[in-house]
Amino acid sequence: EAQVTQNPRYLITVTGKKLTVTCSQNMNHEYMSWYRQDPGLGLRQIYYSMNVEVTDKGDVPEGYKVSRKEKRNFPLILESPSPNQTSLYFCASSPRWQETQYFGPGTRLLVL
Amino acid sequence: DAKTTQPTSMDCAEGRAANLPCNHSTISGNEYVYWYRQIHSQGPQYIIHGLKNNETNEMASLIITEDRKSSTLILPHATLRDTAVYYCIVRVVGNQFYFGTGTSLTVIP
Repeated sequence: EAQVTQNPRYLITVTGKKLTVTCSQNMNHEYMSWYRQDPGLGLRQIYYSMNVEVTDKGDVPEGYKVSRKEKRNFPLILESPSPNQTSLYFCASSPRWQETQYFGPGTRLLVL
Repeated sequence: DAKTTQPTSMDCAEGRAANLPCNHSTISGNEYVYWYRQIHSQGPQYIIHGLKNNETNEMASLIITEDRKSSTLILPHATLRDTAVYYCIVRVVGNQFYFGTGTSLTVIP
């Protein structure tokens, strides 16, 4: 089944403890992206990747890192999480950058 | 920046057509208009997209004005399961996508 998977789906952590949220797609898509969603602010793009080893900042990249070493994986790294990074995170992929995006199920993160 | 403006919320009676407007007055000539929807806190779901011609698929119709400064998503026979937040999106500078806050559509029985 064609899909975008994220892990973990739920995570509670403490300030400063490094964490990684994984994202994987099995559709051979070139474009991948991370979004965060907060009440009243909608979906905001954090980082995106046009292809392997090509990443760029979105609207709200501060406090996040990404890497794209393989086409299928696009992990989101929080080196030192802070409470303002408590949010619902979505990963998405598309065949190429301006084509239909397919979203993962979301990861709900709480930073204490 | 080709950002979009949508009403915050709308209601629609079940079985009637739901017409969701979107303004994108700074859209560039080669930028597509995309519509997605999000039910509860699930991942957004693609609905339809277009460049300048009207488009229709099994879910909805998309009407884009001739000057491309606005568009309307039409759900022809709204059902309770169409209650969701609807996002109108165009590409922003570079290769970013700007979702905005969308329109919360409530379908009323």
